[in-house]
Amino acid sequence: GQSLEQPSEVTAVEGAIVQINCTYQTSGFYGLSWYQQHDGGAPTFLSYNALDGLEETGRFSSFLSRSDSYGYLLLQELQMKDSASYFCAVRDSNYQLIWGAGTKLIIKP
Amino acid sequence: NAGVTQTPKFQVLKTGQSMTLQCAQDMNHEYMSWYRQDPGMGLRLIHYSVGAGITDQGEVPNGYNVSRSTTEDFPLRLLSAAPSQTSVYFCASSYSFTFGRGYTEAFFGQGTRLTVV
Repeated sequence: GQSLEQPSEVTAVEGAIVQINCTYQTSGFYGLSWYQQHDGGAPTFLSYNALDGLEETGRFSSFLSRSDSYGYLLLQELQMKDSASYFCAVRDSNYQLIWGAGTKLIIKP
Repeated sequence: NAGVTQTPKFQVLKTGQSMTLQCAQDMNHEYMSWYRQDPGMGLRLIHYSVGAGITDQGEVPNGYNVSRSTTEDFPLRLLSAAPSQTSVYFCASSYSFTFGRGYTEAFFGQGTRLTVV
């Protein structure tokens, strides 16, 4: 079956750096995406990797290794507003987005 | 640009009632989908559509129907509400057939918080 695995919860300190990992097993691969969801809100797009390597968008970076079926989201200079759940998602060969269960990021002052 | 508009935001139903959740997008996206999200969980796909007139089942389709008569609209119908359908429902849209960022970036509506009593 298809699956994406990510940690259920990660805790970090304000101002620090945190990495959220995602491993996937899907039928077809058209890119790995990351979404942020605050409590009570809708998921919003953060980043996307189609090719191996690092993509940087401000304080957020995302990495992909297709040979390892692995990616991660890196958040730098953590702020309290970054407290949220983070989801990885892969578009498979049937055009469906396959989602991980989400990682709750807890930031402590 | 309104993006994805979902209505209603909140709804309480009695067991056995039916209702339709509305979803409309103005970005000319081919792909639209409905998800449900239970507390502390990820998104589970209910139904999806890759274009007008084409729909297909996702992971948890039982108890729900969809139709796609236009590119813009993708309503979700609950046929006979059950307490197990208490959840937050999200509609999302994206491009289907382009590569690069647009291929996987999904735009979400604000969600419908449904309670079935």
